[in-house]
Amino acid sequence: DAGVIQSPRHEVTEMGQEVTLRCKPISGHNSLFWYRQTMMRGLELLIYFNNNVPIDDSGMPEDRFSAKMPNASFSTLKIQPSEPRDSAVYFCASSFRQGANQPQHFGDGTRLSIL
Amino acid sequence: AQSVTQPDIHITVSEGASLELRCNYSYGATPYLFWYVQSPGQGLQLLLKYFSGDTLVQGIKGFEAEFKRSQSSFNLRKPSVHWSDAAEYFCAVGGGGNNDMRFGAGTRLTVKP
Repeated sequence: DAGVIQSPRHEVTEMGQEVTLRCKPISGHNSLFWYRQTMMRGLELLIYFNNNVPIDDSGMPEDRFSAKMPNASFSTLKIQPSEPRDSAVYFCASSFRQGANQPQHFGDGTRLSIL
Repeated sequence: AQSVTQPDIHITVSEGASLELRCNYSYGATPYLFWYVQSPGQGLQLLLKYFSGDTLVQGIKGFEAEFKRSQSSFNLRKPSVHWSDAAEYFCAVGGGGNNDMRFGAGTRLTVKP
């Protein structure tokens, strides 16, 4: 079975540009999560969706960040405008259903570098 | 809200030696506990989980973990480490509402030949 698929794997762009990260969750999974990982702050939850509806976006750092899930098989995380401090690895994860006891399945991440 | 602490940032063990990675959690009720492993350039992979029942749980790749309520701990162990176990290990705790899961800062494991 295919796991969580993220694209692109690497993105290098100049500050001020718009960045769009993409995620395809595991088929049949109803919850989707976006994380950011940095050396300084570790793994941070940015936002999660349940049944395509955003449930908790309290981790989104600024209004420059936005996330959408137009259907059960696709989600985007957008940064506009991007800044050098946004450089990090961004992970998408999905779980079968909502619940603190549900294991999350992670994609391989997008390594974002903002110059 | 729950929280998790991994006291060791970096551990080095020799290949073939035993391993124990520490994890302490804070939560008022019985938590849901997880261990994940992250190899370089990859996402997190679930090693094992504890919800209830037997406090010693077995996972993939020969790992096990023991839940000790009295010590608020969920330490990960492996009797004999292989070079391929070199990676970063994350403990996570769930237990709040909805999907509230918190990850520790991670422990980086180096395996010496």
